[in-house]
Amino acid sequence: AQTVTQSQPEMSVQEAETVTLSCTYDTSENNYYLFWYKQPPSRQMILVIRQEAYKQQNATENRFSVNFQKAAKSFSLKISDSQLGDTAMYFCAFMYSGGGADGLTFGKGTHLIIQP
Amino acid sequence: DTAVSQTPKYLVTQMGNDKSIKCEQNLGHDTMYWYKQDSKKFLKIMFSYNNKELIINETVPNRFSPKSPDKAHLNLHINSLELGDSAVYFCASSPLANYEQYFGPGTRLTVT
Repeated sequence: AQTVTQSQPEMSVQEAETVTLSCTYDTSENNYYLFWYKQPPSRQMILVIRQEAYKQQNATENRFSVNFQKAAKSFSLKISDSQLGDTAMYFCAFMYSGGGADGLTFGKGTHLIIQP
Repeated sequence: DTAVSQTPKYLVTQMGNDKSIKCEQNLGHDTMYWYKQDSKKFLKIMFSYNNKELIINETVPNRFSPKSPDKAHLNLHINSLELGDSAVYFCASSPLANYEQYFGPGTRLTVT
Protein backbone atom coordinates (compact mmCIF):
# COMPACT_ATOMS: atom_id res chain seq x y z
CA ALA A 1 0.00 0.00 0.00
CA GLN A 2 1.16 3.50 -0.68
CA THR A 3 1.22 6.46 1.67
CA VAL A 4 1.35 10.19 1.00
CA THR A 5 2.74 12.66 3.53
CA GLN A 6 2.27 16.41 3.58
CA SER A 7 4.30 17.79 6.46
CA GLN A 8 2.98 21.37 6.42
CA PRO A 9 -0.55 21.57 7.89
CA GLU A 10 -0.73 25.31 7.21
CA MET A 11 1.28 27.96 5.38
CA SER A 12 0.80 31.69 5.01
CA VAL A 13 2.51 34.00 2.51
CA GLN A 14 2.04 37.49 1.16
CA GLU A 15 0.37 38.07 -2.17
CA ALA A 16 2.81 37.94 -5.13
CA GLU A 17 5.31 35.79 -3.23
CA THR A 18 6.40 32.33 -4.28
CA VAL A 19 5.46 29.41 -2.06
CA THR A 20 6.42 25.73 -2.13
CA LEU A 21 4.26 22.98 -0.69
CA SER A 22 6.00 19.72 0.13
CA CYS A 23 4.84 16.17 -0.45
CA THR A 24 6.55 12.83 -0.03
CA TYR A 25 5.18 9.41 -0.83
CA ASP A 26 6.04 5.82 -0.32
CA THR A 27 5.35 3.07 -2.83
CA SER A 28 6.89 -0.08 -4.22
CA GLU A 29 5.32 0.54 -7.62
CA ASN A 30 7.21 1.90 -10.60
CA ASN A 31 4.29 3.14 -12.69
CA TYR A 32 2.08 5.75 -11.14
CA TYR A 33 0.70 9.27 -11.35
CA LEU A 34 1.03 12.09 -8.87
CA PHE A 35 -1.42 14.96 -8.57
CA TRP A 36 -1.98 18.19 -6.73
CA TYR A 37 -5.60 19.09 -6.08
CA LYS A 38 -6.89 22.40 -4.79
CA GLN A 39 -9.95 22.66 -2.57
CA PRO A 40 -11.15 26.24 -2.01
CA PRO A 41 -13.82 27.07 0.59
CA SER A 42 -16.46 26.12 -1.98
CA ARG A 43 -15.17 22.53 -1.35
CA GLN A 44 -14.94 21.74 -5.07
CA MET A 45 -11.90 19.54 -5.83
CA ILE A 46 -9.90 21.15 -8.64
CA LEU A 47 -6.99 19.44 -10.37
CA VAL A 48 -3.98 21.75 -10.34
CA ILE A 49 -1.29 19.63 -11.96
CA ARG A 50 -0.45 16.05 -12.89
CA GLN A 51 2.86 14.21 -13.21
CA GLU A 52 3.47 10.81 -14.78
CA ALA A 53 6.19 8.91 -12.95
CA TYR A 54 7.89 7.80 -16.18
CA LYS A 55 8.42 11.40 -17.26
CA GLN A 56 11.59 13.04 -16.03
CA GLN A 57 10.47 16.52 -17.02
CA ASN A 58 8.66 18.41 -14.29
CA ALA A 59 5.08 19.36 -15.11
CA THR A 60 4.09 23.03 -15.28
CA GLU A 61 0.72 24.77 -15.57
CA ASN A 62 1.02 28.54 -15.79
CA ARG A 63 2.04 29.74 -12.29
CA PHE A 64 2.12 26.19 -10.91
CA SER A 65 5.06 23.85 -11.27
CA VAL A 66 6.31 20.73 -9.55
CA ASN A 67 9.68 19.43 -8.48
CA PHE A 68 9.44 15.68 -8.98
CA GLN A 69 12.29 13.68 -7.49
CA LYS A 70 11.46 10.04 -8.16
CA ALA A 71 14.40 8.50 -6.33
CA ALA A 72 13.67 10.59 -3.26
CA LYS A 73 9.90 10.03 -3.66
CA SER A 74 9.29 13.73 -3.40
CA PHE A 75 6.71 15.81 -5.27
CA SER A 76 6.59 19.47 -4.24
CA LEU A 77 4.33 22.15 -5.70
CA LYS A 78 5.61 25.67 -6.39
CA ILE A 79 3.16 28.51 -6.81
CA SER A 80 4.68 31.64 -8.32
CA ASP A 81 3.24 35.15 -8.04
CA SER A 82 0.67 33.91 -5.53
CA GLN A 83 -2.81 35.43 -5.70
CA LEU A 84 -5.60 35.80 -3.15
CA GLY A 85 -7.59 33.22 -5.08
CA ASP A 86 -4.90 30.64 -4.38
CA THR A 87 -6.08 30.49 -0.77
CA ALA A 88 -7.29 26.91 -0.34
CA MET A 89 -6.49 23.44 0.93
CA TYR A 90 -3.97 21.69 -1.30
CA PHE A 91 -3.86 17.92 -1.46
CA CYS A 92 -1.10 15.78 -2.88
CA ALA A 93 -2.34 12.47 -4.28
CA PHE A 94 -0.93 9.22 -5.65
CA MET A 95 -2.50 6.84 -8.10
CA TYR A 96 -1.18 3.52 -9.37
CA SER A 97 -1.29 3.34 -13.15
CA GLY A 98 -0.83 -0.36 -13.68
CA GLY A 99 -4.43 -1.43 -14.02
CA GLY A 100 -7.44 -1.88 -11.79
CA ALA A 101 -9.22 1.09 -10.26
CA ASP A 102 -7.50 1.74 -6.96
CA GLY A 103 -8.40 5.39 -6.93
CA LEU A 104 -6.43 8.19 -5.36
CA THR A 105 -4.46 8.04 -2.12
CA PHE A 106 -4.38 11.52 -0.59
CA GLY A 107 -2.12 13.29 1.85
CA LYS A 108 -3.67 15.14 4.77
CA GLY A 109 -3.49 18.46 2.99
CA THR A 110 -1.86 21.86 3.45
CA HIS A 111 -3.99 24.89 4.18
CA LEU A 112 -2.46 27.73 2.17
CA ILE A 113 -3.39 31.29 3.09
CA ILE A 114 -2.44 34.17 0.80
CA GLN A 115 -2.34 37.44 2.72
CA PRO A 116 -3.11 40.74 0.96
CA ASP B 1 -22.79 21.81 -18.55
CA THR B 2 -22.02 20.06 -15.28
CA ALA B 3 -19.58 17.18 -15.77
CA VAL B 4 -20.11 15.33 -12.48
CA SER B 5 -23.16 16.22 -10.43
CA GLN B 6 -24.34 15.08 -7.02
CA THR B 7 -27.68 15.42 -5.28
CA PRO B 8 -28.32 16.59 -2.72
CA LYS B 9 -25.52 19.03 -1.88
CA TYR B 10 -26.57 19.09 1.77
CA LEU B 11 -28.28 16.36 3.74
CA VAL B 12 -29.26 16.57 7.40
CA THR B 13 -30.81 13.50 8.96
CA GLN B 14 -31.19 11.65 12.23
CA MET B 15 -29.36 8.61 13.50
CA GLY B 16 -30.85 5.34 12.36
CA ASN B 17 -32.29 6.70 9.13
CA ASP B 18 -31.51 5.37 5.64
CA LYS B 19 -30.44 7.86 2.96
CA SER B 20 -29.11 7.95 -0.58
CA ILE B 21 -26.79 10.27 -2.45
CA LYS B 22 -27.00 10.33 -6.23
CA CYS B 23 -24.15 10.89 -8.66
CA GLU B 24 -24.28 11.36 -12.41
CA GLN B 25 -21.55 12.05 -14.94
CA ASN B 26 -22.07 13.15 -18.53
CA LEU B 27 -18.45 12.64 -19.61
CA GLY B 28 -18.86 9.12 -20.95
CA HIS B 29 -16.36 7.81 -18.41
CA ASP B 30 -16.09 4.12 -17.58
CA THR B 31 -14.98 4.37 -13.97
CA MET B 32 -16.67 6.09 -11.04
CA TYR B 33 -15.64 6.48 -7.41
CA TRP B 34 -16.92 7.49 -4.01
CA TYR B 35 -14.65 9.29 -1.53
CA LYS B 36 -15.28 10.37 2.05
CA GLN B 37 -13.80 13.56 3.51
CA ASP B 38 -13.91 13.63 7.29
CA SER B 39 -14.04 16.59 9.65
CA LYS B 40 -10.25 16.93 9.50
CA LYS B 41 -10.43 17.22 5.70
CA PHE B 42 -8.85 13.80 5.17
CA LEU B 43 -10.00 12.19 1.91
CA LYS B 44 -10.23 8.44 1.56
CA ILE B 45 -11.60 6.27 -1.20
CA MET B 46 -14.64 4.16 -0.39
CA PHE B 47 -15.64 2.46 -3.64
CA SER B 48 -14.65 2.18 -7.24
CA TYR B 49 -16.88 1.04 -10.10
CA ASN B 50 -15.62 0.15 -13.55
CA ASN B 51 -18.26 -0.52 -16.20
CA LYS B 52 -20.86 -1.11 -13.50
CA GLU B 53 -18.69 -3.64 -11.67
CA LEU B 54 -17.42 -3.04 -8.15
CA ILE B 55 -13.64 -3.04 -8.19
CA ILE B 56 -12.67 -2.17 -4.64
CA ASN B 57 -14.29 -1.69 -1.27
CA GLU B 58 -11.84 -0.14 1.15
CA THR B 59 -13.02 -1.64 4.45
CA VAL B 60 -16.22 0.35 4.37
CA PRO B 61 -19.00 -0.87 6.69
CA ASN B 62 -21.63 -2.87 4.88
CA ARG B 63 -24.19 -0.22 5.83
CA PHE B 64 -22.80 1.59 2.80
CA SER B 65 -23.77 0.14 -0.55
CA PRO B 66 -23.00 1.59 -3.98
CA LYS B 67 -25.51 1.02 -6.74
CA SER B 68 -24.81 1.63 -10.40
CA PRO B 69 -27.95 1.45 -12.56
CA ASP B 70 -25.92 2.37 -15.64
CA LYS B 71 -22.47 3.59 -16.62
CA ALA B 72 -23.37 7.25 -16.03
CA HIS B 73 -24.70 6.84 -12.49
CA LEU B 74 -23.25 5.67 -9.19
CA ASN B 75 -25.48 6.15 -6.17
CA LEU B 76 -24.51 5.67 -2.55
CA HIS B 77 -27.01 4.16 -0.14
CA ILE B 78 -26.40 4.37 3.57
CA ASN B 79 -28.44 2.35 6.06
CA SER B 80 -28.81 2.92 9.80
CA LEU B 81 -26.90 6.19 9.79
CA GLU B 82 -24.52 6.87 12.67
CA LEU B 83 -23.02 10.10 14.02
CA GLY B 84 -19.63 9.08 12.63
CA ASP B 85 -21.03 9.05 9.11
CA SER B 86 -21.15 12.84 9.15
CA ALA B 87 -18.74 13.93 6.43
CA VAL B 88 -18.53 15.27 2.92
CA TYR B 89 -18.96 12.60 0.28
CA PHE B 90 -17.46 13.11 -3.16
CA CYS B 91 -18.27 11.28 -6.34
CA ALA B 92 -15.65 11.21 -9.09
CA SER B 93 -15.22 9.70 -12.54
CA SER B 94 -12.34 8.92 -14.88
CA PRO B 95 -12.10 7.87 -18.54
CA LEU B 96 -10.00 4.87 -17.70
CA ALA B 97 -9.36 3.00 -14.49
CA ASN B 98 -6.48 4.74 -12.75
CA TYR B 99 -6.46 7.93 -14.74
CA GLU B 100 -7.20 11.57 -14.01
CA GLN B 101 -10.36 11.96 -11.96
CA TYR B 102 -13.08 14.57 -12.19
CA PHE B 103 -14.87 15.33 -8.95
CA GLY B 104 -18.45 16.27 -8.21
CA PRO B 105 -19.25 19.19 -5.89
CA GLY B 106 -19.60 16.98 -2.82
CA THR B 107 -22.51 16.23 -0.48
CA ARG B 108 -22.25 17.37 3.11
CA LEU B 109 -24.00 14.79 5.26
CA THR B 110 -24.83 15.72 8.83
CA VAL B 111 -26.21 13.07 11.17
CA THR B 112 -27.83 14.35 14.35
